[in-house]
Amino acid sequence: QKEVEQDPGPLSVPEGAIVSLNCTYSNSAFQYFMWYRQYSRKGPELLMYTYSSGNKEDGRFTAQVDKSSKYISLFIRDSQPSDSATYLCAMSAGYGGATNKLIFGTGTLLAVQP
Amino acid sequence: NAGVTQTPKFRVLKTGQSMTLLCAQDMNHEYMYWYRQDPGMGLRLIHYSVGEGTTAKGEVPDGYNVSRLKKQNFLLGLESAAPSQTSVYFCASSYPQNEQFFGPGTRLTVL
Repeated sequence: QKEVEQDPGPLSVPEGAIVSLNCTYSNSAFQYFMWYRQYSRKGPELLMYTYSSGNKEDGRFTAQVDKSSKYISLFIRDSQPSDSATYLCAMSAGYGGATNKLIFGTGTLLAVQP
Repeated sequence: NAGVTQTPKFRVLKTGQSMTLLCAQDMNHEYMYWYRQDPGMGLRLIHYSVGEGTTAKGEVPDGYNVSRLKKQNFLLGLESAAPSQTSVYFCASSYPQNEQFFGPGTRLTVL
């Protein structure tokens, strides 16, 4: 079993829809959670960063962490065609240090249809 | 600031050939990383460095070597390329924190 599981999709939605992207994990020590967005043939770029449980909102994006269920989500409101990309979740047990490496999900491919 | 840059962008090698991928960052980051990305496998850490002159193995280090002679540069070497090393390679850098900043990638094909 992988430490981090993510549905690869593809997920296709109409413009304006609310998108929900999810990851589950098995390591209860994880407490730092990130979402990266990767456009086709580009490098990943950091989208959201959260610590421990709870919600974090940034514009149209909301990240949720439920540590009791070992489940994290990224919500995109009023989705736009420009949101079409692969979304990668990533997490680690610590903050910094050589041993606190990021573990990535395999990514979910999102297509927002105009 | 250019951020994280990688050269070359594309490369085709024959089995057994060698090559070096160069990563450069201008953000004065201490930590640098090399990943490979394969379909269905996600990003896997090859090697990383926590400072100039230091390197350490990641999840999939076999067949690769690295060097960090200067703080801003991190080199990834393939001594004898194999078809299994066909992949997209990403370099990333960070302060001693977890927010990693990625380069644009190098697409390598080994025939």
